[in-house]
Amino acid sequence: KQEVTQIPAALSVPEGENLVLNCSFTDSAIYNLQWFRQDPGKGLTSLLLIQSSQREQTSGRLNASLDKSSGRSTLYIAASQPGDSATYLCAVTNDYKLSFGAGTTVTVRA
Amino acid sequence: DAGVIQSPRHEVTEMGQEVTLRCKPISGHDYLFWYRQTMMRGLELLIYFNNNVPIDDSGMPEDRFSAKMPNASFSTLKIQPSEPRDSAVYFCASRFGADYNEQFFGPGTRLTVL
Repeated sequence: KQEVTQIPAALSVPEGENLVLNCSFTDSAIYNLQWFRQDPGKGLTSLLLIQSSQREQTSGRLNASLDKSSGRSTLYIAASQPGDSATYLCAVTNDYKLSFGAGTTVTVRA
Repeated sequence: DAGVIQSPRHEVTEMGQEVTLRCKPISGHDYLFWYRQTMMRGLELLIYFNNNVPIDDSGMPEDRFSAKMPNASFSTLKIQPSEPRDSAVYFCASRFGADYNEQFFGPGTRLTVL
């Protein structure tokens, strides 16, 4: 059974600092890995999708890396802003199924 | 496309009542997934359909839960009778084709069972 772990569970940084969020998974036979953002009481917003053959994906201030063999992914958010405050979820696809981590709750202090 | 549509967005009901959650997937998507999110268990897959056929319902917690997909544009998740521990956010997601394609999530239905 795939287990997805996200560390840390919570993170508080001053505005402007770079954010580093970690995700690890136990079964490396994945099709892809997705990073989602979830605001309190809201749904899931897909941020980045990395296919298993890719090493990284970038979108604006966001960069996600994938090391499939070691079962790790890292989400970098450059020059954080208060609007980046949210919970970030990592999810991996094995066969048909998305398995989610518990998330990292980020607070960016103005 | 409007994305995955779920209704209602919020549902408050009393224990023992029947609850029906609805989902309209993105047009053309042939996979549909139902997830549940709770503080204790996070996001977990309940059931998924391919071409309107239920493929794996091993995540459905009890016989009180049932899901149907009568056509390619509509699915329901029913809880009967509902219990307070069913309180959660229920998400529907859809996907086109292969496993490496992206799943798109609806806004969720927040269910509260009193």
